[in-house]
Amino acid sequence: EIVMTQSPATLSVSPGERATLSCRASQSVSSNLAWYQQKPGQAPRLLIYGASTRATGIPARFSGSGSGTEFTLTISSLQSEDFAVYYCQQYNNWPSLTFGGGTKVEIK
Amino acid sequence: QVQLVQSGAEVKKPGASVKVSCKASGYTFTSYGISWVRQAPGQGLEWMGWISAYNGNTNYAQKLQGRVTMTTDTSTSTAYMELRSLRSDDTAVYYCARDALIGGYSYTDYWGQGTLVTVSS
Repeated sequence: EIVMTQSPATLSVSPGERATLSCRASQSVSSNLAWYQQKPGQAPRLLIYGASTRATGIPARFSGSGSGTEFTLTISSLQSEDFAVYYCQQYNNWPSLTFGGGTKVEIK
Repeated sequence: QVQLVQSGAEVKKPGASVKVSCKASGYTFTSYGISWVRQAPGQGLEWMGWISAYNGNTNYAQKLQGRVTMTTDTSTSTAYMELRSLRSDDTAVYYCARDALIGGYSYTDYWGQGTLVTVSS
């Protein structure tokens, strides 16, 4: 099983600042990596797939990078609606999917 | 527009079974697979398994093998997830999620609203 590790667990950021979230895979997942945003009481929302492609309707302030085992989600200028939990997901081992433990982005 | 609408909340006793439904609309149901993902209170996302809506092929998480069964009814465009021998640590919100791509090696794009299953004596 591919293990996905996210860091940090919690990130405290002020509105307007940049947030950088990390995701590491226990073995290479190529670029088969997605990022999701989840707000309390809601289902996850797809942000990024293919490690760096924004999903439909996702603002340009969200960007993804990386390949192999190291990935990054960057939110360039945090808006109030961006405070949420973010999960990475590998699908290189499809149909077996694995999620990271999540990073909570909170208001500093 | 693509929608996945799940059945309502359930309360079950330990040892019982639960069957959650996920009714799809807005796309050709048999063209895309469906994954089931659960989330225990305050915890992260756990993939449970996947089913092809085309031919019913399944792939289950090893830890749930023998307790979970995923099925589809193509006549109603509905996917089902049944979990047996429920334990307290099965208390979670259960989500269905659609493969984004036809044919495999896919992330998930559309998600159901979630179904809370509470296991308590």
